[in-house]
Amino acid sequence: DAGVIQSPRHEVTEMGQEVTLRCKPISGHDYLFWYRQTMMRGLELLIYFNNNVPIDDSGMPEDRFSAKMPNASFSTLKIQPSEPRDSAVYFCASSLPPPGQGAMGPSYGYTFGSGTRLTVV
Amino acid sequence: AQSVTQLGSHVSVSEGALVLLRCNYSSSVPPYLFWYVQYPNQGLQLLLKYTTGATLVKGINGFEAEFKKSETSFHLTKPSAHMSDAAEYFCAVTLDSSYKLIFGSGTRLLVRP
Repeated sequence: DAGVIQSPRHEVTEMGQEVTLRCKPISGHDYLFWYRQTMMRGLELLIYFNNNVPIDDSGMPEDRFSAKMPNASFSTLKIQPSEPRDSAVYFCASSLPPPGQGAMGPSYGYTFGSGTRLTVV
Repeated sequence: AQSVTQLGSHVSVSEGALVLLRCNYSSSVPPYLFWYVQYPNQGLQLLLKYTTGATLVKGINGFEAEFKKSETSFHLTKPSAHMSDAAEYFCAVTLDSSYKLIFGSGTRLLVRP
């Protein structure tokens, strides 16, 4: 398996522009997570999906942020309009269910993509 | 609410010395605990995890961690540091019910020749 694949690896955009980050989870993983990493705030969970359905988006900072998962193999995180304070590394991760929630419990653990480094100027 | 505290944002050891990275958690129910490693410009890689069963957990690259419920700790150790261990290490906790993985602030490990 190629792991969790994120694109692009780097994105530089001007303030006010729309930015779309993409993620392909590991096949068979039915949980998908979007995290943001900054020096000031560390790793923050933005939103997560189960079977393509958003379960918890309480970490999404503002209405400028939106995420979709149209199918089991693809998710997007969109920022519109982008602002300089959105500059960060955005990670996608996928996982099997935790112990107690399915036969794959012992394999539980998030697998992270390599991240997208977003710079808004 | 659950949280994770990593003591020491930076830890420096000599090559060959013991590595000890500290992690304490707060949780009202038995947690699942994880250690992840992040090398520069890369994503996070799972080192080891505790879910149930044996409290001493062995992971990749010679690392291990022990879940101590009485101390609410999950410290990461390695008997002998290698230069390639230099990276940032994150402790994380989740509950079966919430499924959110909450990360500590991270500890950067420096290994001196």
